[in-house]
Amino acid sequence: GQNIDQPTEMTATEGAIVQINCTYQTSGFNGLFWYQQHAGEAPTFLSYNVLDGLEEKGRFSSFLSRSKGYSYLLLKELQMKDSASYLCAVRGGRRNSGYSTLTFGKGTMLLVSP
Amino acid sequence: NAGVTQTPKFQVLKTGQSMTLQCAQDMNHEYMSWYRQDPGMGLRLIHYSVGAGITDQGEVPNGYNVSRSTTEDFPLRLLSAAPSQTSVYFCASRSEGYEQYFGPGTRLTVT
Repeated sequence: GQNIDQPTEMTATEGAIVQINCTYQTSGFNGLFWYQQHAGEAPTFLSYNVLDGLEEKGRFSSFLSRSKGYSYLLLKELQMKDSASYLCAVRGGRRNSGYSTLTFGKGTMLLVSP
Repeated sequence: NAGVTQTPKFQVLKTGQSMTLQCAQDMNHEYMSWYRQDPGMGLRLIHYSVGAGITDQGEVPNGYNVSRSTTEDFPLRLLSAAPSQTSVYFCASRSEGYEQYFGPGTRLTVT
């Protein structure tokens, strides 16, 4: 099976930098994803890593170390609108159909205060 | 493009009733999935499809049926609703690429 761990809650101040960690155990790793989900809304895609290293996209960056089963999402210049749940998800573990599916962590609720 | 659409947005059922949650996408995506999201549990995969006529079970399939007769539609059927099925249900789709698009969700309460 697959196991994904991330902190339940984090708090940070507007303008600061925050790092949300994710550790995982999976067979047949085929990519790690980060999604953002505002309260009452659907998840939206933030980033994708399949090779080791850092992927940068504006204020958001995501890092992956496959050997350590570890990823982090880095949010810079925090804004109030960044208050949301951040979901780490791993694609892997082939099912009966032969296809790999996406397994989500429980999410990290980030609260940005003024 | 409308993307991924889901109906209804809200639904209240009595225990034992059946219903179908509708999901449609207009992006010609092969892969479609149904998830449920419960407080403290994260998103859990119920069923998924890799193309018309091909479906498979996810992590929590019991009490749910799916079929995929067309590329566009992927309905989720609750056969006999139970209070444990009270949840928010999300449908998602993707192509061969990596980005998965989610519908707006259906909030289901079973009393």
